[in-house]
Amino acid sequence: GAVVSQHPSWVICKSGTSVKIECRSLDFQATTMFWYRQFPKQSLMLMATSNEGSKATYEQGVEKDKFLINHASLTLSTLTVTSAHPEDSSFYICSARDGRRRNTEAFFGQGTRLTVV
Amino acid sequence: GESVGLHLPTLSVQEGDNSIINCAYSNSASDYFIWYKQESGKGPQFIIDIRSNMDKRQGQRVTVLLNKTVKHLSLQIAATQPGDSAVYFCAENIRHAGGTSYGKLTFGQGTILTVHP
Repeated sequence: GAVVSQHPSWVICKSGTSVKIECRSLDFQATTMFWYRQFPKQSLMLMATSNEGSKATYEQGVEKDKFLINHASLTLSTLTVTSAHPEDSSFYICSARDGRRRNTEAFFGQGTRLTVV
Repeated sequence: GESVGLHLPTLSVQEGDNSIINCAYSNSASDYFIWYKQESGKGPQFIIDIRSNMDKRQGQRVTVLLNKTVKHLSLQIAATQPGDSAVYFCAENIRHAGGTSYGKLTFGQGTILTVHP
C-alpha cells in the first residue's frame, strides 16, 4: 500500500523557537496533503489542506501565520510551527492522497509528537 | 455544527469474541466513510471504507455497516484478538457542491477497544 513518512517522530523544543515537520509520500505523487492535530485522548482535527504549488487552505480557527505549510513538490509537504509555545504541544499527523487515483482515501503518516518546554 | 460522534467511548471484550463499534454521523451530505485503527503513538491505519451507495462491506475479519436512514455506521470485528486493541475512529468525507474532497476528513471522537486474553 501507499506509504507516507513523517519526520521527525518526536521533537522537544524550547518555547519561542520554530519547529519544522516533514511529510513525504514515498511511492506515489501526492497532489494534496492534509495536516491534522491530535491532543491526548482526543480525536484528530483537520488543520489545513496542502495543495502542491499553491497556498494551503486553513480550517477555521487555525492561524496560518503560526502554522506555515509548504507543499513545494509532489512528494513533500512541510508544517512549521513558528514561535512555539507549550499549548502547541500535540501530536501532528499528515495524510496524503495519490493524485493519479480518483476517489481514494488518504494515507496517514506515523505522526510527530511535539513537546514545547 | 455538523459532527461525527460515537456512542461508546470504551469497549472491552474477551479474545475470540466479536466486537461492534458504533458511530453516528449528522451530515446527510456525507458520501464516503472510513474506519481507522490508531495504536498508541502512531498515525491512523486504514481498516475499511464504504460509500453511501452501499449498506454493507466486508473485509478480512471486519465488516462495516451503513444505515443512512438513521445516519449510523458500525464496525464489526470477528474473532477479536489482543492485537486489535487500539482506538478506532470513524471518519467521513463530506460531499459538497464541487464534489467530494477525498482525504479531507471529519473524525469521530474514537472508541478505545481493549481485548483481554
